[in-house]
Amino acid sequence: AQSVTQLGSHVSVSEGALVLLRCNYSSSVPPYLFWYVQYPNQGLQLLLKYTTGATLVKGINGFEAEFKKSETSFHLTKPSAHMSDAAEYFCAVSRAGGTSYGKLTFGQGTILTVHP
Amino acid sequence: ETGVTQTPRHLVMGMTNKKSLKCEQHLGHNAMYWYKQSAKKPLELMFVYNFKEQTENNSVPSRFSPECPNSSHLFLHLHTLQPEDSALYLCASSQDSGRTYEQYFGPGTRLTVT
Repeated sequence: AQSVTQLGSHVSVSEGALVLLRCNYSSSVPPYLFWYVQYPNQGLQLLLKYTTGATLVKGINGFEAEFKKSETSFHLTKPSAHMSDAAEYFCAVSRAGGTSYGKLTFGQGTILTVHP
Repeated sequence: ETGVTQTPRHLVMGMTNKKSLKCEQHLGHNAMYWYKQSAKKPLELMFVYNFKEQTENNSVPSRFSPECPNSSHLFLHLHTLQPEDSALYLCASSQDSGRTYEQYFGPGTRLTVT
């Protein structure tokens, strides 16, 4: 079985500060990893994904994430927060093979608040 | 219309009503999904359709009945719901549920059961 743990249900940063949202996963086979963002009253939008290859993945809106197999982590970062980054962020894992091929398992989400 | 659309965006229904949620994707995908998003809970996958065939039912109560007439449309028929069914219902699509492609989400239907 696969699972995702997002450390911290709420993260608060000042505008211009570093954003770090933590995600750890559990998977018995090589994972595919995703970060989604959800703005109020909207659906989920894909920020970035890791499948294979380069472990540092760049996404939209200046976000990036690094796959660290030894730490089973896929933390999301952004060097400088903008007010428009305030939203809820979800980490998700999918198996790269087997019977759960393509099935996404989501973390519980982290609400990011950005202060002026 | 582009992407994944859902109607209605908001729905209030009584426990004895029957209503349907509609999802349409304009991405040429072959797989469609229903998720339930409740407050303070992880997203729950409800149903998966691949090439119009249901490939997954995640132990969803029978008061939720999905229908996928073609690869572009997905419905969720609701009847005799309970207050705990109040949630945001999200539809998503992907190229193929048999492989790991990213899923694209609609804006959701906010359902309130009174």
